[in-house]
Amino acid sequence: LAKTTQPISMDSYEGQEVNITCSHNNIATNDYITWYQQFPSQGPRFIIQGYKTKVTNEVASLFIPADRKSSTLSLPRVSLSDTAVYYCLVGDNNKLSFGAGTTVTVRA
Amino acid sequence: DADVTQTPRNRITKTGKRIMLECSQTKGHDRMYWYRQDPGLGLRLIYYSFDVKDINKGEISDGYSVSRQAQAKFSLSLESAIPNQTALYFCATSEGGQGSTDTQYFGPGTRLTVL
Repeated sequence: LAKTTQPISMDSYEGQEVNITCSHNNIATNDYITWYQQFPSQGPRFIIQGYKTKVTNEVASLFIPADRKSSTLSLPRVSLSDTAVYYCLVGDNNKLSFGAGTTVTVRA
Repeated sequence: DADVTQTPRNRITKTGKRIMLECSQTKGHDRMYWYRQDPGLGLRLIYYSFDVKDINKGEISDGYSVSRQAQAKFSLSLESAIPNQTALYFCATSEGGQGSTDTQYFGPGTRLTVL
């Protein structure tokens, strides 16, 4: 199981770009990198998934360097409603661990 | 996600009582999971099932049991509830067969308080 490390918290302001970097030094060859978002009292929600290079969807972008030992979730022009906990997951589906995630607080 | 439902949404019980939390899904997924969440600790996997005949322990299965009654139903039981099982419980489903980390879809959660 690839262990992930991400910052505990980040603060931002409306309209700014937020970048959250996750370290996963022991990522296996077949592992994908997946990010989830969780609002208070709700279940996590899938945001984006990638294997290498860059992936972009309507919500975020995911940047993965060639060595895949880290990944960066980029949230463009955040709003107050983007305040949430963001989890980085890598590894065996049998033993998924969400960890504590990164609490992103967006201020007006 | 409305395709994954959990009952009850809230439950207060006493130490020593048997409690069952139920999860149903209409997504047609084979895989189902139970997690618990404690403040500041993220989600921890309790049990998971990859099909009706498959049950596996997660990282914190002690004190819990599960039953996969059908593809669409996965129940979590606390045989004798204790206060440190007070937590938010989530059920999730996934399609499987999509690499090592296929997308999971979560229910709304059950808030359980054991007095």
